Amino acid sequence: GAGVSQTPSNKVTEKGKYVELRCDPISGHTALYWYRQSLGQGPEFLIYFQGTGAADDSGLPNDRFFAVRPEGSVSTLKIQRTERGDSAVYLCASSQGPNTGELFFGEGSRLTVL
Amino acid sequence: AQTVTQSQPEMSVQEAETVTLSCTYDTSENNYYLFWYKQPPSRQMILVIRQEAYKQQNATENRFSVNFQKAAKSFSLKISDSQLGDTAMYFCAFMKLGGSQGNLIFGKGTKLSVKP
Repeated sequence: GAGVSQTPSNKVTEKGKYVELRCDPISGHTALYWYRQSLGQGPEFLIYFQGTGAADDSGLPNDRFFAVRPEGSVSTLKIQRTERGDSAVYLCASSQGPNTGELFFGEGSRLTVL
Repeated sequence: AQTVTQSQPEMSVQEAETVTLSCTYDTSENNYYLFWYKQPPSRQMILVIRQEAYKQQNATENRFSVNFQKAAKSFSLKISDSQLGDTAMYFCAFMKLGGSQGNLIFGKGTKLSVKP
């Protein structure tokens, strides 16, 4: 597609469950980013991939969060043993070149943990 | 650590009028980019304008312009001839050059309403 695609758009789960969020970046974009946006806040950086490798995962809050990008295109953010505090919109973005800051965002996946 | 502060949680403006959104930031870095991103109700963040810190000239993009005051660490966004489609959340963001690419630090946002 022409833009960054994220699925699911909305996800409701119960505390303690496992969740996967998928991101399909713009074709040809080598860099991919995950951000988390809590209600009333700006997005917070989670992790950045350059190709298949995680170049910076310093924003992941704890070891329940993990992300992969096995073929350098689609990425999956995985959250184990979800907690109510994980409820947020998870935004994915991609960019064409390094260090431009011009990120192209998807519409996000809203996660609600009951 | 860098911080970005947007002191106006909400703003409103009449259609066709001009509005200025404020942003201040704190950093010890000398080389960085500053951005304004727009987030409409659809949730998709869109880049509005970008400013390289080493450039003295203020960036402009059609009806959008910035007032970049490096010494004061201030980066305001001016929207001229406001349109109904400008209604959205606006986020100011900072990115250090040479650091983690794409690690943008965002402010809390300003909700802008354009009234007919």
